[in-house]
Amino acid sequence: KQEVTQIPAALSVPEGENLVLNCSFTDSAIYNLQWFRQDPGKGLTSLLLIQSSQREQTSGRLNASLDKSSGRSTLYIAASQPGDSATYLCAANAGGTSYGKLTFGQGTILTVHP
Amino acid sequence: GAVVSQHPSWVICKSGTSVKIECRSLDFQATTMFWYRQFPKQSLMLMATSNEGSKATYEQGVEKDKFLINHASLTLSTLTVTSAHPEDSSFYICSASEDNTWSPLHFGNGTRLTVT
Repeated sequence: KQEVTQIPAALSVPEGENLVLNCSFTDSAIYNLQWFRQDPGKGLTSLLLIQSSQREQTSGRLNASLDKSSGRSTLYIAASQPGDSATYLCAANAGGTSYGKLTFGQGTILTVHP
Repeated sequence: GAVVSQHPSWVICKSGTSVKIECRSLDFQATTMFWYRQFPKQSLMLMATSNEGSKATYEQGVEKDKFLINHASLTLSTLTVTSAHPEDSSFYICSASEDNTWSPLHFGNGTRLTVT
């Protein structure tokens, strides 16, 4: 059974800092891994999706890497801004017959203060 | 981009009543939609997979008679929480992908259910 762990559980940084969020998964046989952002009481916004054959994906100030063999993914946020404050979730997609069965981590609550 | 819409965004109901939550794909057709549940300070857990024109597939531990899923069209799936109890209070969120394959999943804004 896949288990996804995110470290740290919470992170508070001053504006402008570069930061790294960590995600680890126990079963390396994933099809892809997706990073999401969730604002309080809201749904999920997809940030980046990394296929199992890929090493990293970039979108603006966000960069996500994937190391399947070690069961790890990191989300790098450059030059953080107060608007980046949210909960960040990573989710592993096991593949197989159901592409929508994601296993989520507990999330990292990020606070960027001015 | 692809949009998944949920309604209502929040609902309060009395114990014993039923509540219906709608999930719509606004600009694409979704043969499959996924229903997740998130308890306070916990992560999202898949409840069931909704299949257009056929029965839903439920995850282990999810009561299919309590959480009725109907996927009658390619753009609409509904989740009905029957005989709701306070322990059913949670955040329910649906998702779908644009091409029903391995592209990124798009999530609705969720429905906060409170059962009193």
